[in-house]
Amino acid sequence: DAKTTQPPSMDCAEGRAANLPCNHSTISGNEYVYWYRQIHSQGPQYIIHGLKNNETNEMASLIITEDRKSSTLILPHATLRDTAVYYCIVRVQGGGNSGGSNYKLTFGKGTLLTVNP
Amino acid sequence: NAGVTQTPKFRVLKTGQSMTLLCAQDMNHEYMYWYRQDPGMGLRLIHYSVGEGTTAKGEVPDGYNVSRLKKQNFLLGLESAAPSQTSVYFCASSYPRGGLDNEQFFGPGTRLTVL
Repeated sequence: DAKTTQPPSMDCAEGRAANLPCNHSTISGNEYVYWYRQIHSQGPQYIIHGLKNNETNEMASLIITEDRKSSTLILPHATLRDTAVYYCIVRVQGGGNSGGSNYKLTFGKGTLLTVNP
Repeated sequence: NAGVTQTPKFRVLKTGQSMTLLCAQDMNHEYMYWYRQDPGMGLRLIHYSVGEGTTAKGEVPDGYNVSRLKKQNFLLGLESAAPSQTSVYFCASSYPRGGLDNEQFFGPGTRLTVL
């Protein structure tokens, strides 16, 4: 799996957009960008994923650069409950005949996002 | 739906004791996983299962065994617990779309301390 680089921490004011960057310069053509978050003491929660097009769902937007070497997760209106560690993960889409190593999610250290009132 | 549940939430063992962690999901997911998370580290995959009756090793399988006798349950066993197995254990499940795995749904975790 390609490695990712994220800032260790970020702050955001409540109600403002939170933009979390991720560098993945060695990403391969068949690797997706996934974002998960982990609120303190809870299990990780899936947010969004994409291959090369920008994606949006009810939680966030994912912007992937044209060369796919970096991406940004956008929380449009951050709330206090969005305070969490956010993980950017690059992996092939697991399952099928892709082999065992493709099932795992390789979590790095992530970015601690603190949303302030 | 309860989603992914884990039993127990907390446990303290002495070195050499055995125990089983239970993971249950009510979403009819095919794939299930066991991860461990240690302080300052990301999650590491222990074992996983792609269907009832099948299991496979992840990246840190030593000292653990698993079973998937029913589709909704995935058991993680420690035959002889060691202090190095002190960790938070997370179970996850996912369903394939077109045979491919997408998002994984995680349980709340089990905090295990081995003295």
